[in-house]
Amino acid sequence: LAKTTQPISMDSYEGQEVNITCSHNNIATNDYITWYQQFPSQGPRFIIQGYKTKVTNEVASLFIPADRKSSTLSLPRVSLSDTAVYYCLVGDMAHTGGFKTIFGAGTRLFVKA
Amino acid sequence: NAGVTQTPKFRILKIGQSMTLQCTQDMNHNYMYWYRQDPGMGLKLIYYSVGAGITDKGEVPNGYNVSRSTTEDFPLRLELAAPSQTSVYFCASSDRNYYGYTFGSGTRLTVV
Repeated sequence: LAKTTQPISMDSYEGQEVNITCSHNNIATNDYITWYQQFPSQGPRFIIQGYKTKVTNEVASLFIPADRKSSTLSLPRVSLSDTAVYYCLVGDMAHTGGFKTIFGAGTRLFVKA
Repeated sequence: NAGVTQTPKFRILKIGQSMTLQCTQDMNHNYMYWYRQDPGMGLKLIYYSVGAGITDKGEVPNGYNVSRSTTEDFPLRLELAAPSQTSVYFCASSDRNYYGYTFGSGTRLTVV
């Protein structure tokens, strides 16, 4: 299972773009990269998933370089409500044998007014 | 569409007691998971299931048991509760193609 490394915490101001980078040097061929957001006292919530290049949805963008050893979650124009913990996960899409992923400690993003 | 439902939301157990944390999903997902989250930490996988009748251990299975008799339900059993099991427990599910997990709202368990 690929292990991930993220910054422990980040601070930002409302209206800024926030980029959180995740390192996953031993990512395997079948692994996808998924990001989750967790607010206090809630379960994590799926944000975005990708395999390579760039993925964008209504919430965020995910940038994955060609070597796939890292990825960057980009949150455009953050607001106070984006204060949360963000987890980067790398996991195998294979259907046989189960699907297991490891949640690291995540990145605690604090957005200030 | 309720998603993943966990009960109870809170529970206090005495050392040595047992209890079952309930988890039900209504999305017909094949995969279900139990995680625990200690304060300020990430989530650790306890057990997972790839379908009814099939379960397997995750990172931290000791002190827990699971069963999966139906697609919808995945209860987690704590036998002989210990203070080290004080944590927030999250159940999650995903479909075969894995477009992300859907998590329940969690059960906050305190063992005293």
